[in-house]
Amino acid sequence: GENVEQHPSTLSVQEGDSAVIKCTYSDSASNYFPWYKQELGKRPQLIIDIRSNVGEKKDQRIAVTLNKTAKHFSLHITETQPEDSAVYFCAATQEGSGYSTLTFGKGTMLLVSP
Amino acid sequence: ETGVTQTPRHLVMGMTNKKSLKCEQHLGHNAMYWYKQSAKKPLELMFVYSLEERVENNSVPSRFSPECPNSSHLFLHLHTLQPEDSALYLCASSQARGSTDTQYFGPGTRLTVL
Repeated sequence: GENVEQHPSTLSVQEGDSAVIKCTYSDSASNYFPWYKQELGKRPQLIIDIRSNVGEKKDQRIAVTLNKTAKHFSLHITETQPEDSAVYFCAATQEGSGYSTLTFGKGTMLLVSP
Repeated sequence: ETGVTQTPRHLVMGMTNKKSLKCEQHLGHNAMYWYKQSAKKPLELMFVYSLEERVENNSVPSRFSPECPNSSHLFLHLHTLQPEDSALYLCASSQARGSTDTQYFGPGTRLTVL
């Protein structure tokens, strides 16, 4: 089955700095890679996703890059703010018929200090 | 925030108790999922229901029993649990058109087994 590795497990930055979280996956058939943000005591929420036919996607301060050959993808947050502090999870799909089965990384706790 | 709801939000039970977790989605989705989230571990997929049929059971012990009476409701019946089953149990739903559908999570039930 799919295996997703995520690094680092914790990341501390100063407000205004950039943050990068990296993930690798094992199943070359995976074709959808969402990123979820989970604030303390709250549900995971999708913040950005990328499909395997695209190499990069950007949404304001957040961007995701995908390297299919190397089987890795990364989340980039620029101009970080204290409200970006949360746990971030990457995930990859395994093919299913009519449903998705996400394999998640272990998460990265991002702390943005004012 | 109210698209996927879960009750109860917190549950404390003894190892001999029987309880049920409830999930309801108001998004018109056709696939529903149960995940287990433990400290320092990835989100673990437990069960998948697509069009009200169970399509995935990821080696979950029989003390966890899912039920999906219709496409809007999902239950997780619990009996004779172990302390290591203490975790946050998250429900999610998606459109069930294919493997790249976005999953939307509920707020979770924080379960403590004494």
